[in-house]
Amino acid sequence: DAKTTQPTSMDCAEGRAANLPCNHSTISGNEYVYWYRQIHSQGPQYIIHGLKNNETNEMASLIITEDRKSSTLILPHATLRDTAVYYCIVRGPSGNTPLVFGKGTRLSVIA
Amino acid sequence: GAVVSQHPSWVICKSGTSVKIECRSLDFQATTMFWYRQFPKQSLMLMATSNEGSKATYEQGVEKDKFLINHASLTLSTLTVTSAHPEDSSFYICSASSQSGVSNQPQHFGDGTRLSIL
Repeated sequence: DAKTTQPTSMDCAEGRAANLPCNHSTISGNEYVYWYRQIHSQGPQYIIHGLKNNETNEMASLIITEDRKSSTLILPHATLRDTAVYYCIVRGPSGNTPLVFGKGTRLSVIA
Repeated sequence: GAVVSQHPSWVICKSGTSVKIECRSLDFQATTMFWYRQFPKQSLMLMATSNEGSKATYEQGVEKDKFLINHASLTLSTLTVTSAHPEDSSFYICSASSQSGVSNQPQHFGDGTRLSIL
């Protein structure tokens, strides 16, 4: 079972920042927080991941609370192409451990 | 970046046919690949873990004789849906981690195969 909780859906105006929350209150000390998104009829796309420090890359920023029980994915300037289902996933450090997907958040970016 | 290629992207076939789906890691070696299935309006469900040179590990409820997995090389895993029936129609997706076994590496996904059984 997924170990994360996300809102079912969110809307965001084009050009504004999209802030997607995720609760992972049972996260273990060696587990990472991963974010993926899935655009309709495509495979999931990796966005970003982190352990306890905030992370930023060319796609997004990941803010993890100090107690690591929740995190927020930030898309700084959402575009229509960012409309997708966003999945927050907790996983241990081994690359041989599969990702377990929850229901994710359906983000709709509106013009 | 790491790329995973999946083929075919779309297949329609008659009931009773066996269908093979290929998953390749194009620019890295993957000792472990994963197979998922996704029904309409649902999330991805893990079917099995494919290990190079050994038997796959199937999730509970997934028939190993129905979904044959072969991982004969470090860059190729195949999923064969044997004697497919309409209820097997779904979106099948594979994934792999670059530098499998090294910590903290993200998994990368193929673009999926949409299987429709008539």
